[in-house]
Amino acid sequence: KNQVEQSPQSLIILEGKNCTLQCNYTVSPFSNLRWYKQDTGRGPVSLTIMTFSENTKSNGRYTATLDADTKQSSLHITASQLSDSASYICVVSDRGSTLGRLYFGRGTQLTVWP
Amino acid sequence: EADIYQTPRYLVIGTGKKITLECSQTMGHDKMYWYQQDPGMELHLIHYSYGVNSTEKGDLSSESTVSRIRTEHFPLTLESARPSHTSQYLCASSEYQEKLFFGSGTQLSVL
Repeated sequence: KNQVEQSPQSLIILEGKNCTLQCNYTVSPFSNLRWYKQDTGRGPVSLTIMTFSENTKSNGRYTATLDADTKQSSLHITASQLSDSASYICVVSDRGSTLGRLYFGRGTQLTVWP
Repeated sequence: EADIYQTPRYLVIGTGKKITLECSQTMGHDKMYWYQQDPGMELHLIHYSYGVNSTEKGDLSSESTVSRIRTEHFPLTLESARPSHTSQYLCASSEYQEKLFFGSGTQLSVL
């Protein structure tokens, strides 16, 4: 069964600290993996995309990694800011159709305290 | 910046009412989607469209219907709302590599 599991479910950190969010998936075949940020009361916004051949990709203070062999991805946030408080959602796309079906994780709720 | 708009942002209605949630995008995307999201849960696809006059049901059984008469417009209609329909509804569009652009959502409460 194709699934996307994220951990931890929630996380509280102090402003300025780093953190790492995890995403494990069983989706096969694999096309790509995206991390989205969803602020409270808003729709998700794409942070980064990882394809099969990519190991690391950065977007400002966000760095995503992908290990396609172990089917794991992580999102590392450096020097956290209050505005990083949000839900971070991992989404995996397969190649089972021309459009690529999407599998969503439940998200990690990150809270950054001053 | 994505240009996809949903109205209303919040809606509280009584059981049995007919409602339409509006979604419009100005990016010219052919693909559009409706997702349902409950707190702490993953997004569930309820309807999608590949283009004008093309609509399909998603994974989540839904009593809603959609239409796609214009590329930019993808409304969702509930003929008779029930308390079980209380949820957040997110509209999205995409062009390639399944990068989704989401609207801000409609929070629906059915009393």
